[in-house]
Amino acid sequence: GQQVMQIPQYQHVQEGEDFTTYCNSSTTLSNIQWYKQRPGGHPVFLIQLVKSGEVKKQKRLTFQFGEAKKNSSLHITATQTTDVGTYFCAGRRYAGYSTLTFGKGTMLLVSP
Amino acid sequence: SAVISQKPSRDICQRGTSLTIQCQVDSQVTMMFWYRQQPGQSLTLIATANQGSEATYESGFVIDKFPISRPNLTFSTLTVSNMSPEDSSIYLCSVGVGSGHINEQFFGPGTRLTVL
Repeated sequence: GQQVMQIPQYQHVQEGEDFTTYCNSSTTLSNIQWYKQRPGGHPVFLIQLVKSGEVKKQKRLTFQFGEAKKNSSLHITATQTTDVGTYFCAGRRYAGYSTLTFGKGTMLLVSP
Repeated sequence: SAVISQKPSRDICQRGTSLTIQCQVDSQVTMMFWYRQQPGQSLTLIATANQGSEATYESGFVIDKFPISRPNLTFSTLTVSNMSPEDSSIYLCSVGVGSGHINEQFFGPGTRLTVL
């Protein structure tokens, strides 16, 4: 079955440092989504990438989808304490209403 | 967007009993899902709740253990049957919203289940 791997599992940075989490799928994806889960909260949708090589930005967050549509990354510039949480990628193999396969997530801790 | 509520928010249950979790959405949605998230772990899809037909279960999950109801487009229930401590987890209801390529999933607040 489809597998989505995410690294690193955990990262602890100082406020102001950059952070990147990487996601790799065992199969080509139709699209990939990113979610953030704050401690004690539920996952919240951040963004969806659909096109090969796509790059999207949300303020300090930059999302990339690989040319082969099998990998993706999330980069946070100049982290803040509000960025603390677990970031999950989730891949969808087929367009439309097919199910999502979630990566194991990267837990980000930011020290002031 | 979609606003999802779940009941109960948490429960502590005895081994061998069953618990039914309710999920209510503030709008009609086609796609409704049940996930399990064990502490510090990722989300594992249990099943897709289909309105008017039997749920579609993922590998490793069966209807006898996790019966699901979906009587209409705004409501679903998940029952965790004959519970054991291994069933201790957070159970999350999720709905898919959108069309074509864009399908955002919204998650409910979750039900934290502890089985003693």
